[in-house]
Amino acid sequence: GQQLNQSPQSMFIQEGEDVSMNCTSSSIFNTWLWYKQEPGEGPVLLIALYKAGELTSNGRLTAQFGITRKDSFLNISASIPSDVGIYFCAGPNNAGNMLTFGGGTRLMVKP
Amino acid sequence: NAGVTQTPKFRILKIGQSMTLQCTQDMNHNYMYWYRQDPGMGLKLIYYSVGAGITDKGEVPNGYNVSRSTTEDFPLRLELAAPSQTSVYFCASSHPGGQFFGPGTRLTVL
Repeated sequence: GQQLNQSPQSMFIQEGEDVSMNCTSSSIFNTWLWYKQEPGEGPVLLIALYKAGELTSNGRLTAQFGITRKDSFLNISASIPSDVGIYFCAGPNNAGNMLTFGGGTRLMVKP
Repeated sequence: NAGVTQTPKFRILKIGQSMTLQCTQDMNHNYMYWYRQDPGMGLKLIYYSVGAGITDKGEVPNGYNVSRSTTEDFPLRLELAAPSQTSVYFCASSHPGGQFFGPGTRLTVL
């Protein structure tokens, strides 16, 4: 089946730093989704990407749909303590009825 | 809209007991999903439904059952709880723009 690999697995950064994480797959995805999960909560959709090469922003977050359609990147600029959480990438199967999730990148921000 | 709601928030079961995790959405979404998330891991799909009366197995369906009698409700049933089913369970519903998750049910089987 389809698998998504996220890196890094975890990051510990200083407040104000920029963050970059990525998600790769051995198969092509037509949609990439980025979610954030805070402790004790369900994942919340941050950004959805629908076209190869697409670059989309949501506040300090920017995500890109890789040209090969096998990868995606999420950047967070000027991190703040409330950015703490686990960031998941996800992509739907060809039928569009199931999502595959990556293993997540755990972000910790030191004030 | 309340979005996706799940009950209970927490539950402790003994081995062999049964229970139903409830999930309701008020967004009129056809697609609904159940995931489990083990500590430090991503989400694994248990079952999903593309509409009332239709359910399909996901990646890890063993030990679980679901039903979808209405668009709004998608309960998950554990018949004989096992320690391996200790996890956090998330229900989700979706429209073409993405999936929306409930707050989760934390289940411990002792």
